Amino acid sequence: QITLKESGPTLVKPTQTLTLTCTFSGFSLSTSGVGVGWIRQPPGKALEWLALIYWNDDKRYSPSLKSRLTITKDTSKNQVVLTMTNMDPVDTATYYCAHSTVTTALSFDYWGQGTLVTVSS
Amino acid sequence: DIQMTQSPSSLSASVGDRVTITCRASQSISSYLNWYQQKPGKAPKLLIYAASSLQSGVPSRFSGSGSGTDFTLTISSLQPEDFATYYCQQSYSTRWTFGQGTKLEIK
Repeated sequence: QITLKESGPTLVKPTQTLTLTCTFSGFSLSTSGVGVGWIRQPPGKALEWLALIYWNDDKRYSPSLKSRLTITKDTSKNQVVLTMTNMDPVDTATYYCAHSTVTTALSFDYWGQGTLVTVSS
Repeated sequence: DIQMTQSPSSLSASVGDRVTITCRASQSISSYLNWYQQKPGKAPKLLIYAASSLQSGVPSRFSGSGSGTDFTLTISSLQPEDFATYYCQQSYSTRWTFGQGTKLEIK
């Protein structure tokens, strides 16, 4: 059974760096064809993909946020970490991590419950 | 970026109705189109991947079709638990993009 769970601060101040951790179970991020992505959703708005890391450490970033994002993995701990620099109130959103695999056409087939991050001074 | 446009943005329907939601890509994405259902306060749930493949555990009243730039999600007979927001998403480009969502409401 695949599960994912996001953790990190619920409140950050403008200009600060956000660090979110996705801890997962039921799969290995060293298995060929597997990835973990981050997606966010501002309150009442649509989903926005942020970043994804593959089993082979290949990384993909949203072009509009690339300069602010870093995604890394720790295979031994079953964790993926996303950092986002220079946070702004418009970055207030629920942040999700999700499992992706070539088996399901690189869709996001399992999701964490999400964590709400508020950016405010 | 590949832009994904859904229509309609909102839709009112009754239990038992047949409903179709459309998603259009700004360029050809072959069959790399996925559909998600999201209920308030919950994470999205994958319904359909690769345009027409039903994710395990998803009821057969959900179906998807299309290729290239035009895709549809059809719910053959709406059930009370189907009232939610639906998103399409392309995975052709490894810079994934989502549609703006279609909110399906009870008439």
